[in-house]
Amino acid sequence: GQNIDQPTEMTATEGAIVQINCTYQTSGFNGLFWYQQHAGEAPTFLSYNVLDGLEEKGRFSSFLSRSKGYSYLLLKELQMKDSASYLCAVRDRASGGSYIPTFGRGTSLIVHP
Amino acid sequence: EPEVTQTPSHQVTQMGQEVILRCVPISNHLYFYWYRQILGQKVEFLVSFYNNEISEKSEIFDDQFSVERPDGSNFTLKIRSTKLEDSAMYFCASSERGGAETQYFGPGTRLLVL
Repeated sequence: GQNIDQPTEMTATEGAIVQINCTYQTSGFNGLFWYQQHAGEAPTFLSYNVLDGLEEKGRFSSFLSRSKGYSYLLLKELQMKDSASYLCAVRDRASGGSYIPTFGRGTSLIVHP
Repeated sequence: EPEVTQTPSHQVTQMGQEVILRCVPISNHLYFYWYRQILGQKVEFLVSFYNNEISEKSEIFDDQFSVERPDGSNFTLKIRSTKLEDSAMYFCASSERGGAETQYFGPGTRLLVL
């Protein structure tokens, strides 16, 4: 997970759908995580993708394309409480041979009425 | 609902001092992790621990850091000689299994090194 890119900030309207993209470059991909982090709080696990395709979990879905080094998190029926930072993290093979997660800087999502 | 707990919530220390951050993982979890987040920056993985051994560690986790599971419930992170740049929020996490298994994070310890 040497280079993980996410938009810095996004805004959306309550009730709408928003897609947060994440692109990455790895030497030994072993899965991609999405976390939600409210200001001043710990991250909360949202999803994990290791195979290509879409994983749906309630209002949240996550998509992965390994060949493109691309993932997105889709949030439907946005609620005000969804205002938070969304972190993309990739498990990559480190120089020592083990797999460790590397986090992106996070996308700050602001949901307004 | 079971949760990961961490103590203290805040710690202030002088540069060069040793600190021990404590975590109580969820009781039936077998995998334990430490992360840190410098204010305004991204979350960084430090170390994972399973079966009383370090299973993975990042380049940040150098000889100044150590982890221990001194008893059946606590999981600690020790920083031997703190530096100013160690100031960060330190999160402990645990999971029932490793790999893709959901990791549950504790509320964090805010460490300030003066």
